[in-house]
Amino acid sequence: DIQLTQSPSSLSASVGDRVTITCRASQGISNSLAWYHQKPGKAPKLLLYAASRLQSGVPSRFSGGGAGTDYTLTINSLQPEDFGTFYCQQYYDIPPWTFGQGTKVEVK
Amino acid sequence: QVQLVESGGGVVQPGGSLRLSCAASGFIFSNYAMHWVRQSPGKGLEWVAVLSYDGSGKYYADSVRGRFSISRDDSMNTSYLQMDSLSVEDTAIYYCARKGRDNYFDPWGQGTLVTVSS
Repeated sequence: DIQLTQSPSSLSASVGDRVTITCRASQGISNSLAWYHQKPGKAPKLLLYAASRLQSGVPSRFSGGGAGTDYTLTINSLQPEDFGTFYCQQYYDIPPWTFGQGTKVEVK
Repeated sequence: QVQLVESGGGVVQPGGSLRLSCAASGFIFSNYAMHWVRQSPGKGLEWVAVLSYDGSGKYYADSVRGRFSISRDDSMNTSYLQMDSLSVEDTAIYYCARKGRDNYFDPWGQGTLVTVSS
């Protein structure tokens, strides 16, 4: 199974900051990576797929990049509503679908 | 709009059974594979099971294989997760999710809580 490791596990940033979260896969996943955002008590919501493609309706301050085993989620100009936990997910070698352990974001 | 609504969660004793339902609306249900994903209290996300759009492919996480069974009723636009031989480790919020254009998940339901406790 492909393991995904996110870093950092948590972070605290101010409104307007640029935030970057990293997701490292245990083997190459050929951009078959999605990012989700989960607010407390809510279901995860798809932000990006294919590593860098923005889901319809998701604000353009979210962007993704990377290749091979290393991928990033960047939030340009962090907003108050961006609090919560972000997860990466690989869908290259399935089943099983696997997720990173999550990155909890606090907005100061 | 596309909507998924889970139901059937509750409190069950170890060794017991429960059947979860996921009612879909706003899209052609029979065209899509459906997943179940769980999240233990305060923990991350764990994929549980998937059933292909035509019912020909069923896959399970190692942690539930042999105990859980996924099914669907296209006439009811509903996906099911039959959970048997439950243990305390199965305590979690269970989400259903639709397969996206590629193999990501979109959207997700709001989840239903399963608590296994004596």
